[in-house]
Amino acid sequence: KQEVTQIPAALSVPEGENLVLNCSFTDSAIYNLQWFRQDPGKGLTSLLLIQSSQREQTSGRLNASLDKSSGRSTLYIAASQPGDSATYLCAHSGAGSYQLTFGKGTKLSVIP
Amino acid sequence: GAVVSQHPSRVICKSGTSVKIECRSLDFQATTMFWYRQFPKQSLMLMATSNEGSKATYEQGVEKDKFLINHASLTLSTLTVTSAHPEDSSFYICSASLHEHSSYEQYFGPGTRLTVT
Repeated sequence: KQEVTQIPAALSVPEGENLVLNCSFTDSAIYNLQWFRQDPGKGLTSLLLIQSSQREQTSGRLNASLDKSSGRSTLYIAASQPGDSATYLCAHSGAGSYQLTFGKGTKLSVIP
Repeated sequence: GAVVSQHPSRVICKSGTSVKIECRSLDFQATTMFWYRQFPKQSLMLMATSNEGSKATYEQGVEKDKFLINHASLTLSTLTVTSAHPEDSSFYICSASLHEHSSYEQYFGPGTRLTVT
């Protein structure tokens, strides 16, 4: 059974700090890895998608890396802001498949 | 681009009744749509995969007669929870994949909060 683990489950940081969220997975044959943001009671917003041939993607203050050999991905958030407070989910799809396997997420709180 | 909508956003129904949730891709055609449910503080669990014009594929443990899925067009999929019970109360989220998009990226709707009383 494929599993996705996110550590820590919750994280609280002061505004302005740089932080790293971790995601590990057991399936070495992943196709895509995506990072999502979910605000309370809301749907998912896609932040970054890394295809299996890529090692990282960047968007603004966000940078996501992928190391398939170790089964890990990290989401780096620079200069965190209170508006970054949300739950961050990582998920991956298998080769040739649309299906996503999700982690339980990391709940981030950025304190002003 | 790649916007997915869901309707309704919230619904409260009485036990034993049925409720329909719509998922629409607004600006693209989606050959495949997915339905997930999410319990509080839990991750998304895939319920079924829906392909336009064919029967949905359900995940193990999901009752296909209870959760009816219809993917009638390339822009619309519906989930009907039949004879709802309080344990069906959950957050239901759909997603859609771009037609013939090679990256298999999914775009998610805003979710529907179902409460069964």
